[in-house]
Amino acid sequence: AQTVTQSQPEMSVQEAETVTLSCTYDTSESDYYLFWYKQPPSRQMILVIRQEAYKQQNATENRFSVNFQKAAKSFSLKISDSQLGDAAMYFCAYRRYNNNDMRFGAGTRLTVKP
Amino acid sequence: NAGVTQTPKFRVLKTGQSMTLLCAQDMNHEYMYWYRQDPGMGLRLIHYSVGEGTTAKGEVPDGYNVSRLKKQNFLLGLESAAPSQTSVYFCASSRVDTQYFGPGTRLTVL
Repeated sequence: AQTVTQSQPEMSVQEAETVTLSCTYDTSESDYYLFWYKQPPSRQMILVIRQEAYKQQNATENRFSVNFQKAAKSFSLKISDSQLGDAAMYFCAYRRYNNNDMRFGAGTRLTVKP
Repeated sequence: NAGVTQTPKFRVLKTGQSMTLLCAQDMNHEYMYWYRQDPGMGLRLIHYSVGEGTTAKGEVPDGYNVSRLKKQNFLLGLESAAPSQTSVYFCASSRVDTQYFGPGTRLTVL
């Protein structure tokens, strides 16, 4: 079974600084998707960024970027110029290509200090 | 667009009671999912559907049933609620790969 590990239960960052959240996963598949979701106190799960495993180029969405290391099975999220609104739980998720069973990590709680 | 909506937002049940959670999506997505989220854990898939009239088991299906009679709706049923089913329940839908989530339902079973 595929598993997703987020080794940092909590992280904090100063406003305007950069923070990196870690995620590793275990799989024997070569085709899959990886995601980062944000869950603010409102509880809504919001897609932050996605990466297809066959793409070598790291995905970027404005201030959010990933460092995808396929051989190391690592998928970290970098948040640049952190803002107070970035404070939330962040979940890393894995989904095998052509499979509907998405697996989530336990989450990292990010605090942004003003 | 409303996206994915869930009804109700909160519910308290007594052990042994039954209830149904309703999920609706207006994005014409083929795939729909039910997850549960427990403290200190990520979301875990309960059941999912790849189209109208079809359902399949996920990671933690025991104690739940689902139905997808219409493409836009996905129902999650608890026939005899247990305290272990106290959780936050999320519905999601997708076209192919990216899932979009509803706001969640907080269920407490006493």
